[in-house]
Amino acid sequence: GNSVTQMEGPVTLSEEAFLTINCTYTATGYPSLFWYVQYPGEGLQLLLKATKADDKGSNKGFEATYRKETTSFHLEKGSVQVSDSAVYFCALSDNTGRRALTFGSGTRLQVQP
Amino acid sequence: NAGVTQTPKFQVLKTGQSMTLQCAQDMNHNSMYWYRQDPGMGLRLIYYSASEGTTDKGEVPNGYNVSRLNKREFSLRLESAAPSQTSVYFCASSEKGAMNEQFFGPGTRLTVL
Repeated sequence: GNSVTQMEGPVTLSEEAFLTINCTYTATGYPSLFWYVQYPGEGLQLLLKATKADDKGSNKGFEATYRKETTSFHLEKGSVQVSDSAVYFCALSDNTGRRALTFGSGTRLQVQP
Repeated sequence: NAGVTQTPKFQVLKTGQSMTLQCAQDMNHNSMYWYRQDPGMGLRLIYYSASEGTTDKGEVPNGYNVSRLNKREFSLRLESAAPSQTSVYFCASSEKGAMNEQFFGPGTRLTVL
C-alpha cells in the first residue's frame, strides 16, 4: 500500500535559518505529492503540490521538488519566520478514483525570534 | 465563501453515547472525506464520498457510519462511542479531476470518557 515517511519533530530553528523537512514515499504508479500546513487550532491548508517527476512546487517561499528516483519530496525554505511555526504534513494521492490522501505523521516546526 | 464548515467544534461524550458530526461545503465539490487525526499518526481516512449518493470505506471505518445527504453535506455518526475514538476529526472536499487538492474544515475535537 501507499505510505509517507517524514522526519520526526519538533524542529526548532532561529528566525532566518534554512529549513529542510524530509519526506519520502512509497506508492504504486505515479502519485501526486503535497505539502499541507496546519497552524495552531486550525484545519490543514495546502502549501504546495507537484503532480509529476521533476516538478517543483512553490508557495510563500517554500519549495519542494518531486524526485521519482529517490521517491522524495523534501520541503525547503531559505529563511524561516516566526509566523512559519506550524505542523507540516507531506501527503500523496495515488490518482485512483478514490483520490484520498495518504499523510505522513507531520513535523512540528518551531521558529524562535 | 465559507469553504468547509464543521459542527460542533468540541464535544465530550461518555462511552456508549452516540453523536453525529456535521460537515458542509459551499464549493460545489463532488468528493468529500472524513479523516481522524491522532498524535504522531498524521491523518487517516475514515470514509469518503466520491459523489452524491455514494460512500465508501477508508482505512479506519470501524465504529463509524456516514451519510452523504446531498452534494453539500456529509455527516459522520458514532453509534456507540468508545475511548479509542477520542481524536480530532476533519472533513475535507475536492473537485473531481482537480489534481486532488483537498480543502479542509477547522476540525471537531472529540473526547470520549
